[in-house]
Amino acid sequence: SQQGEEDPQALSIQEGENATMNCSYKTSINNLQWYRQNSGRGLVHLILIRSNEREKHSGRLRVTLDTSKKSSSLLITASRAADTASYFCATVGRLTGGGNKLTFGTGTQLKVEL
Amino acid sequence: EPEVTQTPSHQVTQMGQEVILRCVPISNHLYFYWYRQILGQKVEFLVSFYNNEISEKSEIFDDQFSVERPDGSNFTLKIRSTKLEDSAMYFCASSELENTGELFFGEGSRLTVL
Repeated sequence: SQQGEEDPQALSIQEGENATMNCSYKTSINNLQWYRQNSGRGLVHLILIRSNEREKHSGRLRVTLDTSKKSSSLLITASRAADTASYFCATVGRLTGGGNKLTFGTGTQLKVEL
Repeated sequence: EPEVTQTPSHQVTQMGQEVILRCVPISNHLYFYWYRQILGQKVEFLVSFYNNEISEKSEIFDDQFSVERPDGSNFTLKIRSTKLEDSAMYFCASSELENTGELFFGEGSRLTVL
């Protein structure tokens, strides 16, 4: 099965610093997504990178994908206290009946301190 | 902005009781999903639903679980006889017919089984 495993499990940084989270997976993918989850809240889609892309930017977010190593990284630049949350990668596979199935990783808990 | 809404936000129930969790997906979406997250663990796929039938389900989704789209707007998850290990956050999600795999998640329903 596709398994996203993030590291580190927890990351604590100072506001203004960059935060890098990594994700590894096991099988081939159509695309990979990153989601954010504030404590006790729902999942919010951040960014999607297709299997034929190597890098993608969205605001302060930068995602890379290395399909040969089956890994992805999420970089948050100039972090803010409001970025404190858990971040999950999710691999995406098509369902035979239509739609897409996300397989989530274990997540990185990011804490940005003032 | 359209969003997926879920009710109740929190339900406490006794073991063995039936529970129905409700979701209103985004109106023009045609794929619907339930995921769950046991406290401190990964977000896990339960079931996907398209064209009024289950398109795929995980091994977690046993005979105690069922889904229904009773009226064209609501999408429900029923647990017939709850167990302690069903305690989790249950997330509903929906996606468009033609899409790259981005799922839109609700805020979740926290189920506590005593």
